[in-house]
Amino acid sequence: AQSVTQLGSHVSVSEGALVLLRCNYSSSVPPYLFWYVQYPNQGLQLLLKYTSAATLVKGINGFEAEFKKSETSFHLTKPSAHMSDAAEYFCAVSGATGRRALTFGSGTRLQVQP
Amino acid sequence: EAGVTQFPSHSVIEKGQTVTLRCDPISGHDNLYWYRRVMGKEIKFLLHFVKESKQDESGMPNNRFLAERTGGTYSTLKVQPAELEDSGVYFCASSQVTAANYGYTFGSGTRLTVV
Repeated sequence: AQSVTQLGSHVSVSEGALVLLRCNYSSSVPPYLFWYVQYPNQGLQLLLKYTSAATLVKGINGFEAEFKKSETSFHLTKPSAHMSDAAEYFCAVSGATGRRALTFGSGTRLQVQP
Repeated sequence: EAGVTQFPSHSVIEKGQTVTLRCDPISGHDNLYWYRRVMGKEIKFLLHFVKESKQDESGMPNNRFLAERTGGTYSTLKVQPAELEDSGVYFCASSQVTAANYGYTFGSGTRLTVV
Protein backbone atom coordinates (compact mmCIF):
# COMPACT_ATOMS: atom_id res chain seq x y z
CA ALA A 1 0.00 0.00 0.00
CA GLN A 2 1.17 3.52 -0.73
CA SER A 3 0.22 6.98 0.42
CA VAL A 4 1.45 10.52 -0.03
CA THR A 5 1.12 13.49 2.29
CA GLN A 6 1.72 17.00 1.08
CA LEU A 7 2.04 19.46 3.94
CA GLY A 8 0.35 22.75 3.18
CA SER A 9 -2.46 23.02 0.67
CA HIS A 10 -1.41 26.61 -0.06
CA VAL A 11 2.09 28.08 -0.01
CA SER A 12 2.85 31.73 -0.71
CA VAL A 13 6.34 33.06 -1.43
CA SER A 14 7.77 36.29 -2.71
CA GLU A 15 9.32 36.47 -6.13
CA GLY A 16 12.99 35.55 -5.80
CA ALA A 17 12.49 33.63 -2.56
CA LEU A 18 13.16 29.95 -1.96
CA VAL A 19 10.36 27.56 -2.86
CA LEU A 20 9.95 24.52 -0.62
CA LEU A 21 7.02 22.16 -1.14
CA ARG A 22 6.89 19.22 1.22
CA CYS A 23 6.06 15.63 0.37
CA ASN A 24 6.22 12.56 2.59
CA TYR A 25 5.37 9.13 1.35
CA SER A 26 4.62 5.68 2.60
CA SER A 27 5.31 2.61 0.53
CA SER A 28 5.62 -1.09 1.27
CA VAL A 29 7.90 -1.57 -1.76
CA PRO A 30 10.79 0.52 -3.10
CA PRO A 31 9.12 3.65 -4.36
CA TYR A 32 9.27 5.65 -7.51
CA LEU A 33 8.44 9.27 -6.77
CA PHE A 34 7.21 12.02 -9.01
CA TRP A 35 6.36 15.70 -8.91
CA TYR A 36 3.79 17.01 -11.35
CA VAL A 37 2.70 20.59 -11.93
CA GLN A 38 -0.64 21.83 -13.21
CA TYR A 39 -0.85 25.32 -14.62
CA PRO A 40 -4.31 26.87 -15.00
CA ASN A 41 -6.42 25.19 -17.68
CA GLN A 42 -3.67 22.74 -18.53
CA GLY A 43 -2.93 19.10 -17.88
CA LEU A 44 -0.48 17.67 -15.41
CA GLN A 45 3.12 18.09 -16.50
CA LEU A 46 5.95 15.96 -15.15
CA LEU A 47 8.50 18.11 -13.31
CA LEU A 48 10.88 15.40 -12.18
CA LYS A 49 11.06 11.82 -10.98
CA TYR A 50 13.10 9.63 -8.66
CA THR A 51 13.62 6.08 -9.89
CA SER A 52 16.33 4.72 -7.56
CA ALA A 53 19.33 6.31 -9.23
CA ALA A 54 20.66 9.61 -7.85
CA THR A 55 18.89 10.79 -4.72
CA LEU A 56 19.05 14.44 -5.82
CA VAL A 57 16.92 14.81 -8.88
CA LYS A 58 16.90 17.85 -11.13
CA GLY A 59 13.83 18.69 -13.14
CA ILE A 60 12.54 21.30 -15.49
CA ASN A 61 12.26 25.03 -14.78
CA GLY A 62 15.00 24.97 -12.13
CA PHE A 63 13.21 22.63 -9.72
CA GLU A 64 14.90 19.82 -7.87
CA ALA A 65 13.95 17.28 -5.24
CA GLU A 66 15.91 15.09 -2.87
CA PHE A 67 14.89 11.56 -1.95
CA LYS A 68 15.55 10.89 1.73
CA LYS A 69 14.72 7.32 2.61
CA SER A 70 15.32 7.77 6.34
CA GLU A 71 12.77 10.59 6.42
CA THR A 72 10.48 9.08 3.76
CA SER A 73 10.49 12.49 2.11
CA PHE A 74 10.77 13.89 -1.39
CA HIS A 75 10.55 17.66 -0.96
CA LEU A 76 10.54 19.93 -4.00
CA THR A 77 12.71 23.05 -4.02
CA LYS A 78 13.64 25.93 -6.25
CA PRO A 79 16.20 28.52 -5.15
CA SER A 80 14.41 31.55 -6.58
CA ALA A 81 10.70 31.73 -7.30
CA HIS A 82 9.42 33.29 -10.48
CA MET A 83 5.92 34.59 -11.10
CA SER A 84 5.46 31.89 -13.72
CA ASP A 85 5.88 29.19 -11.04
CA ALA A 86 2.41 29.93 -9.69
CA ALA A 87 0.54 26.66 -10.16
CA GLU A 88 -0.62 23.57 -8.29
CA TYR A 89 1.99 20.95 -7.52
CA PHE A 90 1.35 17.27 -6.93
CA CYS A 91 3.63 14.66 -5.41
CA ALA A 92 2.96 11.07 -6.44
CA VAL A 93 4.33 7.61 -5.71
CA SER A 94 4.22 4.29 -7.46
CA GLY A 95 5.79 1.01 -6.53
CA ALA A 96 8.86 -0.42 -8.23
CA THR A 97 6.89 -3.64 -8.33
CA GLY A 98 3.23 -4.40 -8.55
CA ARG A 99 0.65 -1.86 -9.64
CA ARG A 100 1.62 0.81 -12.13
CA ALA A 101 -0.94 3.28 -10.84
CA LEU A 102 0.19 6.51 -9.26
CA THR A 103 -0.95 7.50 -5.79
CA PHE A 104 -1.14 11.28 -5.53
CA GLY A 105 -0.99 13.70 -2.68
CA SER A 106 -3.73 16.28 -2.30
CA GLY A 107 -1.72 19.00 -4.03
CA THR A 108 -0.10 22.28 -2.98
CA ARG A 109 -1.10 25.53 -4.63
CA LEU A 110 1.90 27.84 -4.94
CA GLN A 111 1.29 31.57 -5.02
CA VAL A 112 4.15 33.91 -5.95
CA GLN A 113 3.88 37.47 -4.73
CA PRO A 114 5.59 40.28 -6.66
CA GLU B 1 3.77 15.22 -31.63
CA ALA B 2 0.20 15.78 -30.50
CA GLY B 3 -0.38 15.38 -26.80
CA VAL B 4 -3.12 13.52 -24.98
CA THR B 5 -6.45 14.99 -26.05
CA GLN B 6 -9.58 14.91 -23.98
CA PHE B 7 -13.06 16.09 -24.82
CA PRO B 8 -15.23 17.66 -23.95
CA SER B 9 -13.23 20.02 -21.79
CA HIS B 10 -16.33 20.79 -19.74
CA SER B 11 -19.64 19.01 -19.32
CA VAL B 12 -22.65 19.96 -17.23
CA ILE B 13 -25.37 17.34 -16.93
CA GLU B 14 -28.31 16.64 -14.70
CA LYS B 15 -28.35 13.88 -12.16
CA GLY B 16 -29.52 10.67 -13.78
CA GLN B 17 -28.26 11.53 -17.24
CA THR B 18 -25.50 9.78 -19.13
CA VAL B 19 -22.17 11.32 -20.06
CA THR B 20 -19.36 9.94 -22.19
CA LEU B 21 -15.85 11.28 -21.91
CA ARG B 22 -13.30 10.63 -24.59
CA CYS B 23 -9.53 10.38 -24.49
CA ASP B 24 -7.16 10.22 -27.44
CA PRO B 25 -3.72 9.11 -26.27
CA ILE B 26 -0.44 9.95 -27.95
CA SER B 27 -0.13 7.86 -31.09
CA GLY B 28 1.69 4.61 -30.40
CA HIS B 29 1.14 4.69 -26.65
CA ASP B 30 -0.20 1.30 -25.62
CA ASN B 31 -0.83 2.33 -22.02
CA LEU B 32 -3.81 4.51 -21.22
CA TYR B 33 -4.90 5.55 -17.75
CA TRP B 34 -7.93 7.29 -16.31
CA TYR B 35 -7.75 9.32 -13.11
CA ARG B 36 -10.18 11.71 -11.50
CA ARG B 37 -10.07 14.49 -8.95
CA VAL B 38 -13.16 15.14 -6.94
CA MET B 39 -13.32 18.73 -5.69
CA GLY B 40 -10.60 19.41 -3.12
CA LYS B 41 -9.49 15.82 -2.91
CA GLU B 42 -6.58 13.83 -4.25
CA ILE B 43 -6.25 12.72 -7.84
CA LYS B 44 -7.27 9.07 -7.78
CA PHE B 45 -6.57 6.24 -10.16
CA LEU B 46 -9.53 4.71 -11.96
CA LEU B 47 -8.13 2.20 -14.44
CA HIS B 48 -5.32 1.22 -16.77
CA PHE B 49 -5.53 -0.16 -20.29
CA VAL B 50 -2.75 -1.91 -22.14
CA LYS B 51 -3.88 -1.71 -25.72
CA GLU B 52 -7.52 -2.77 -25.58
CA SER B 53 -7.23 -4.85 -22.40
CA LYS B 54 -8.04 -3.63 -18.91
CA GLN B 55 -4.85 -4.22 -16.96
CA ASP B 56 -6.09 -2.79 -13.69
CA GLU B 57 -9.57 -1.49 -12.96
CA SER B 58 -9.31 -1.55 -9.21
CA GLY B 59 -10.02 2.17 -8.91
CA MET B 60 -13.39 2.18 -10.67
CA PRO B 61 -15.84 3.42 -8.04
CA ASN B 62 -18.91 1.38 -9.02
CA ASN B 63 -20.73 -0.21 -11.93
CA ARG B 64 -22.12 3.11 -13.14
CA PHE B 65 -18.72 3.69 -14.72
CA LEU B 66 -17.82 1.86 -17.93
CA ALA B 67 -14.52 2.31 -19.72
CA GLU B 68 -13.73 1.00 -23.17
CA ARG B 69 -10.81 1.11 -25.51
CA THR B 70 -11.87 -0.62 -28.69
CA GLY B 71 -9.01 -1.24 -31.09
CA GLY B 72 -6.48 -0.05 -28.59
CA THR B 73 -6.61 3.57 -29.71
CA TYR B 74 -8.93 6.10 -28.10
CA SER B 75 -10.82 5.37 -24.92
CA THR B 76 -14.22 6.37 -23.61
CA LEU B 77 -15.44 6.59 -20.04
CA LYS B 78 -19.20 6.48 -19.67
CA VAL B 79 -21.04 7.40 -16.51
CA GLN B 80 -24.60 6.12 -16.42
CA PRO B 81 -26.59 7.30 -14.55
CA ALA B 82 -24.56 10.23 -13.24
CA GLU B 83 -24.77 11.16 -9.58
CA LEU B 84 -23.84 14.41 -7.84
CA GLU B 85 -20.72 12.86 -6.31
CA ASP B 86 -19.37 12.09 -9.79
CA SER B 87 -18.57 15.78 -10.26
CA GLY B 88 -14.88 16.45 -10.66
CA VAL B 89 -12.08 16.56 -13.18
CA TYR B 90 -11.37 13.41 -15.13
CA PHE B 91 -7.82 13.06 -16.41
CA CYS B 92 -6.52 10.71 -19.03
CA ALA B 93 -2.85 9.85 -19.41
CA SER B 94 -0.81 7.69 -21.72
CA SER B 95 2.64 6.17 -21.87
CA GLN B 96 4.58 4.12 -24.34
CA VAL B 97 6.23 2.02 -21.69
CA THR B 98 4.47 0.08 -18.96
CA ALA B 99 7.32 0.42 -16.49
CA ALA B 100 6.35 2.12 -13.25
CA ASN B 101 9.28 4.52 -13.40
CA TYR B 102 8.41 5.98 -16.75
CA GLY B 103 5.92 8.70 -15.92
CA TYR B 104 2.93 9.60 -18.05
CA THR B 105 1.73 12.36 -20.31
CA PHE B 106 -1.55 13.75 -19.04
CA GLY B 107 -4.36 15.42 -20.92
CA SER B 108 -5.94 18.68 -19.79
CA GLY B 109 -8.88 16.88 -18.25
CA THR B 110 -12.64 16.98 -18.55
CA ARG B 111 -14.44 18.97 -15.88
CA LEU B 112 -17.71 17.19 -15.16
CA THR B 113 -20.42 18.93 -13.20
CA VAL B 114 -23.52 16.98 -12.22
CA VAL B 115 -26.40 19.18 -11.05
